[in-house]
Amino acid sequence: EAQVTQNPRYLITVTGKKLTVTCSQNMNHEYMSWYRQDPGLGLRQIYYSMNVEVTDKGDVPEGYKVSRKEKRNFPLILESPSPNQTSLYFCASSSRTGNALGYEQYFGPGTRLTVT
Amino acid sequence: AQKITQTQPGMFVQEKEAVTLDCTYDTSDQSYGLFWYKQPSSGEMIFLIYQGSYDEQNATEGRYSLNFQKARKSANLVISASQLGDSAMYFCAMREAYNNNDMRFGAGTRLTVKP
Repeated sequence: EAQVTQNPRYLITVTGKKLTVTCSQNMNHEYMSWYRQDPGLGLRQIYYSMNVEVTDKGDVPEGYKVSRKEKRNFPLILESPSPNQTSLYFCASSSRTGNALGYEQYFGPGTRLTVT
Repeated sequence: AQKITQTQPGMFVQEKEAVTLDCTYDTSDQSYGLFWYKQPSSGEMIFLIYQGSYDEQNATEGRYSLNFQKARKSANLVISASQLGDSAMYFCAMREAYNNNDMRFGAGTRLTVKP
């Protein structure tokens, strides 16, 4: 089954304790991205990657790191989490073939992070 | 500046009736794409419908249709014959040609279908 998986699905942590949220897709997609969802703000892009070893900042990259060492994986790293990073996080992937604008993004199930 | 505006934080609709969820967007790009996603209480994002800026006809997918008014920069989602399972958060999103690595989302509209 084609899917994007994220782990963990729920995480409660404390300020300053480094954490990693994993994201993996089995569709051989080149493009992957991370979003955070906050009430009243919708989804905002944190980072994206157009292919292996190619990453770039989205709208809200501060406090986050990513890496893309393999095509299927795109982990999100919070080196020193703070309470304002409490949010719902989504990983997404897509294959940018065919329609240059209409390509669909496949979203993971989301990771709900709470930083106390 | 806000790229996507959804002015209805919450909407109610009676089962079997049609409902329109509003979305306006802001872009100076001539080439862009508009999307609608559904997010049920379980949290996943479900793609519903896509409209390209050069598409002459309004997009339709089953009970979903997109009322695209380019001059007014609006892309409203119409759900016909609402079902209880349509109760969810709905997001409008846009991808612009000049920056097609990013998809901008609105704040969302929570739709509740009443039996």
